Amino acid sequence: DAGVIQSPRHEVTEMGQEVTLRCKPISGHDYLFWYRQTMMRGLELLIYFNNNVPIDDSGMPEDRFSAKMPNASFSTLKIQPSEPRDSAVYFCASRNGQGYQPQHFGDGTRLSIL
Amino acid sequence: AQSVTQLGSHVSVSEGALVLLRCNYSSSVPPYLFWYVQYPNQGLQLLLKYTTGATLVKGINGFEAEFKKSETSFHLTKPSAHMSDAAEYFCAVMRAGGTSYGKLTFGQGTILTVHP
Repeated sequence: DAGVIQSPRHEVTEMGQEVTLRCKPISGHDYLFWYRQTMMRGLELLIYFNNNVPIDDSGMPEDRFSAKMPNASFSTLKIQPSEPRDSAVYFCASRNGQGYQPQHFGDGTRLSIL
Repeated sequence: AQSVTQLGSHVSVSEGALVLLRCNYSSSVPPYLFWYVQYPNQGLQLLLKYTTGATLVKGINGFEAEFKKSETSFHLTKPSAHMSDAAEYFCAVMRAGGTSYGKLTFGQGTILTVHP
């Protein structure tokens, strides 16, 4: 079975540029989560969706960050404008909302802002 | 509010030795608990989970964990470490209801090193 698919795997860009990270959840999963992982702060939940609707965006660090889920099979996390402190690994995860199913993670996007 | 504490940010064992990674949680409702493993340059992979029923749960790669309500613990063990077990391990508790249903609270992670 296909897992959570994230693209790109690596992104290097210059400060001030717009960055778009993409995620395809597992088919049939109705929850989608975006996380950021850094050495200093560990794993942080940025935002999550249920049935394509944002439920909790309290972890989004600034207005420069935005996330959308236009349909059940696609989500984006956008940073505009990007800053060096946004450098991190960004993970997407999805889960089936039936019962207490776990979250399944993608392999992440390693973002470097120069 | 829920929280997870992993005792020891780094644990080092010899190959063949017992692995014990500690996790304590706080939760105002019965918890749903998970252990994930993260290998370098990869995402988090589910090792095992406790939701209801038997308190000793078995996972992949020979790992198991025991839910102890009286001690609010969910420690991860493996009888004999293998070099391939070297990774970072995360304990997590799931919010079981309310507006944040399904949200995970993670511990800070424990890096396991296995020496030959």
